Amino acid sequence: RKEVEQDPGPFNVPEGATVAFNCTYSNSASQSFFWYRQDCRKEPKLLMSVYSSGNEDGRFTAQLNRASQYISLLIRDSKLSDSATYLCVVNKAAGNKLTFGGGTRVLVKP
Amino acid sequence: DAGVIQSPRHEVTEMGQEVTLRCKPISGHDYLFWYRQTMMRGLELLIYFNNNVPIDDSGMPEDRFSAKMPNASFSTLKIQPSEPRDSAVYFCASTFGTYVGKLFFGSGTQLSVL
Repeated sequence: RKEVEQDPGPFNVPEGATVAFNCTYSNSASQSFFWYRQDCRKEPKLLMSVYSSGNEDGRFTAQLNRASQYISLLIRDSKLSDSATYLCVVNKAAGNKLTFGGGTRVLVKP
Repeated sequence: DAGVIQSPRHEVTEMGQEVTLRCKPISGHDYLFWYRQTMMRGLELLIYFNNNVPIDDSGMPEDRFSAKMPNASFSTLKIQPSEPRDSAVYFCASTFGTYVGKLFFGSGTQLSVL
């Protein structure tokens, strides 16, 4: 089983719609969680951290469910520019070793 | 401010040749990471350094791969000899120790081994 798993998609989303997707992690001792965004042929960039109580950043909402060992990302009012691959990232309890999921591809269409 | 700088951007080489990838982290960052990205395996951590010291190299595929960080402003990843299965995008990233979750990635090196 992979340490961090994501549905590769693609999620085809009409512009203005809401899309949500999850990421599961296998190590129950994982402490820190993040979402990164990667555009085609570009480097990954931090989108947002994921806090235990859940958090929002504009149209983006991240949630953490420790009991079921998953995190989620919800995008409201999708824009064409939201088309990208979203990478789930988990930091193990020991050290600073960030493990990336395979990514979920989102395509927002007019 | 300059971000993480990687060179070369593209490298095409023949099987068996030595390949050296270079990275200049952001000034003041004390962590440096080397990742490899392929369609099949996604982003894989190869090795990371803290204050120029290798901390975890468990992701280095085999002895053909080596990485060094002789000073705080420079790191290399070397593959010798290269093989076609090494073809991938290699990313270097750096960050502050107090917030390791926020990695600053370079633009990557697209390596093609023929």
